[in-house]
Amino acid sequence: AQSVSQHNHHVILSEAASLELGCNYSYGGTVNLFWYVQYPGQHLQLLLKYFSGDPLVKGIKGFEAEFIKSKFSFNLRKPSVQWSDTAEYFCAVLNTGFQKLVFGTGTRLLVSP
Amino acid sequence: ETGVTQSPTHLIKTRGQQVTLRCSSQSGHNTVSWYQQALGQGPQFIFQYYREEENGRGNFPPRFSGLQFPNYSSELNVNALELDDSALYLCASSASGYNEQFFGPGTRLTVL
Repeated sequence: AQSVSQHNHHVILSEAASLELGCNYSYGGTVNLFWYVQYPGQHLQLLLKYFSGDPLVKGIKGFEAEFIKSKFSFNLRKPSVQWSDTAEYFCAVLNTGFQKLVFGTGTRLLVSP
Repeated sequence: ETGVTQSPTHLIKTRGQQVTLRCSSQSGHNTVSWYQQALGQGPQFIFQYYREEENGRGNFPPRFSGLQFPNYSSELNVNALELDDSALYLCASSASGYNEQFFGPGTRLTVL
């Protein structure tokens, strides 16, 4: 069965610090990978996605993620975080058989001004 | 373009009761997936509906059931509610052949 591991459950950063959130998945076949963000009081929104091609994908709000197939990883990065990035971040892998998303447990990011 | 909407926003029920949650998919989407997000956890896949048929189910008991209507809106029904059913229930819609799912705001269910 597919699974997704997010190693950092809580991260606290100061504004302008760099961010990297880890995500590892277990699935040997073709994968579609996603990062979703849930801002306080808001619904899940797509940050970025990887289906194929360039393993470095860029998303909204300056976020990017790198797919490393050999490490089964899809880490999320941002060079300089802002207070408005305070949110919960979820990594997810898609079971392409019937579009079932398997989510990690999430990382709660707090950015202090 | 109308996004995914869910109703109600919040719901309080007692153990043993039944509940129905509703979801309207985004315009042009024919696939609806339901997820349960317990506190401090990531969303867990319940089931998916495609063109009014169940198209995959996660590890949830039969008392979790659903429907999809000709306009592609959907319902999630939960019978014999248990305390552990307290969670945020998320609906996501997508277009067939496309893998991106768009989420609604969720329904917060509390079972007392």
